[in-house]
Order: sequence, then C-alpha cells, then structure tokens
Amino acid sequence: AQSVTQPDIHITVSEGASLELRCNYSYGATPYLFWYVQSPGQGLQLLLKYFSGDTLVQGIKGFEAEFKRSQSSFNLRKPSVHWSDAAEYFCAVEDTNAGKSTFGDGTTLTVKP
Amino acid sequence: DVKVTQSSRYLVKRTGEKVFLECVQDMDHENMFWYRQDPGLGLRLIYFSYDVKMKEKGDIPEGYSVSREKKERFSLILESASTNQTSMYLCASSSRQDTLLYGYTFGSGTRLTVV
Repeated sequence: AQSVTQPDIHITVSEGASLELRCNYSYGATPYLFWYVQSPGQGLQLLLKYFSGDTLVQGIKGFEAEFKRSQSSFNLRKPSVHWSDAAEYFCAVEDTNAGKSTFGDGTTLTVKP
Repeated sequence: DVKVTQSSRYLVKRTGEKVFLECVQDMDHENMFWYRQDPGLGLRLIYFSYDVKMKEKGDIPEGYSVSREKKERFSLILESASTNQTSMYLCASSSRQDTLLYGYTFGSGTRLTVV
C-alpha cells in the first residue's frame, strides 16, 4: 500500500528566509504527487502537483517542488517566506488504481517576524 | 470555481445521537470523499464514492456510514455518536478525468464535538 511520510511535524522560519518541507513516499508504480496547504479553520487548497515530465514543478503562491525518484521524495520549497505562508502543509500521493489519495500527517509552518 | 460546501462549521452532539454531516459540490464531480483530521494523525479516509449509490470503505470506516443518493451530495452518518468521534471532518470532491490535473477540492470542514 502507498504511504507518505512528512518527517517534520513543526517548522519555524523567519520571514524572508527560505523554506523546504520534506515529503517521502512509498508507491509501487509511477507516483502522482501533490502538495496542499491548509490555513487555520479552512479546508485544504492545492499548491502544486507532479505526474510526469519536468521533475521541478511550479505552483501557486511562489512554491515549487522537486520530484526525486531515486530518493522517493517530493520536497516543497519557497525562496522567501511571507508571514501569510503560516499554515499546515500536506503531501499526498494518488493511487490511480484505487482512485484515492493518501495524505501525510502534515507539517505546521510558523513564520517569525 | 468549484465549491464544496459543508452544511455546518461547528456541531455539538450528545453521545448516542445519530449525526448527519452533509456535503454538496457544484461541479458535477464523480468522486467524493470524507476524511477526518486529528492533530498528529493527518487526514484519514473514512469513506469515498465514485458515483451515485456507490460507496467504498476507506481506512477507518468503523462507526460511520455514508449515503450518496444524488451526484452532488455525499452524506456522512454517525449512527450512534461517541466521544472518540470528536474531530474535524473534511469533505472533498474530484473529477474522475482530471484528478491528476486539479487534485481534490475540499470543503471548509465541520468541527464535531460529541459530549
């Protein structure tokens, strides 16, 4: 069965600093990977996805992620964090055979002024 | 924009009550999902549905049932609510053809407290 691991439960960065959130997946076939963001009291919003082609994908709000098959990773990055980026971030892998996604446990991002 | 609407943001129910959580989407999506979200446990899939009157168990279906009588509506039912079902419940939908392009669209969630 597929699984997703987000090793960091909580990350704190200063505003303007760079950010990297880690995601490792386990999936037998070609993975279809997603990053979502959840602002306080809200549902999840899709940031970006990967399913083929260029391994560096761009998303909304200035985020990008790099798929590395050899490391089974799909890490999310942003060069300069804004205070409004404080939220919880979820990595997910879609099981196309089963038609459902498996989510990681999430990483909470705190942004210091 | 696709909208997924959950009928209640907050609910407080008593132990043993039958509870209905309603979810409606307005973009003709075939797939609908119910997740519960608990601190440190991420999102866990309860039930999902590919089409009207179809349902599939997710990872934690015990104590829950679902109903999908119309394509746009997916209801989660707690037959006899218990305190361990206190949680945030998230509904999501996706297009069967375009999940890989657009992912899931989530509602804002229902925070259920069972007392």
